[in-house]
Amino acid sequence: ELKVEQNPLFLSMQEGKNYTIYCNYSTTSDRLYWYRQDPGKSLESLFVLLSNGAVKQEGRLMASLDTKARLSTLHITAAVHDLSATYFCAVDWSGSRLTFGEGTQLTVNP
Amino acid sequence: KAGVTQTPRYLIKTRGQQVTLSCSPISGHRSVSWYQQTPGQGLQFLFEYFSETQRNKGNFPGRFSGRQFSNSRSEMNVSTLELGDSALYLCASRRLAGERGETQYFGPGTRLLVL
Repeated sequence: ELKVEQNPLFLSMQEGKNYTIYCNYSTTSDRLYWYRQDPGKSLESLFVLLSNGAVKQEGRLMASLDTKARLSTLHITAAVHDLSATYFCAVDWSGSRLTFGEGTQLTVNP
Repeated sequence: KAGVTQTPRYLIKTRGQQVTLSCSPISGHRSVSWYQQTPGQGLQFLFEYFSETQRNKGNFPGRFSGRQFSNSRSEMNVSTLELGDSALYLCASRRLAGERGETQYFGPGTRLLVL
């Protein structure tokens, strides 16, 4: 059974600081997705990572994938309040279904 | 381009009743997946439909069923509702099924409360 684990699950950080969210998964896959969810809202696609060493950046967020280590990271640079949300990584290992991590609830404080 | 739409957005039912949720995918998308989100279990895959056929099914009891119509719209049904079925039900669509890199676009969800 595929397991996807994120850490930390809760992250409180100050504006302007940097931090990294980690996503580990248990079965070989080269398809990994990052989503953002605001309270009471749906999931917004952030990144799609499809190969070992893939790196994608959008604004203050950068995601990377290491398929050999079965690890993806989401790095936050100079956090701002607008980044407060819950971030999910998800692994597609069957071409048909996403298995999600528990989510990381990020709070950026002024 | 309109996004994924789900109806109704909120629903209150009592135990033992049944419920039908509807999802309209993005125009041109033929694959529709359903997920259940709860505080305790997180996001869990229910099933995926493509071209009116169920491609994959998650680990949910038979009370959970779905179907897809020729216009790619999908419905899911939950019979004999239990308190634990209270959740946010999310529908996601993508253009094709099984394609590498195909992002799933999620709808706003239907929040179901079972009393």
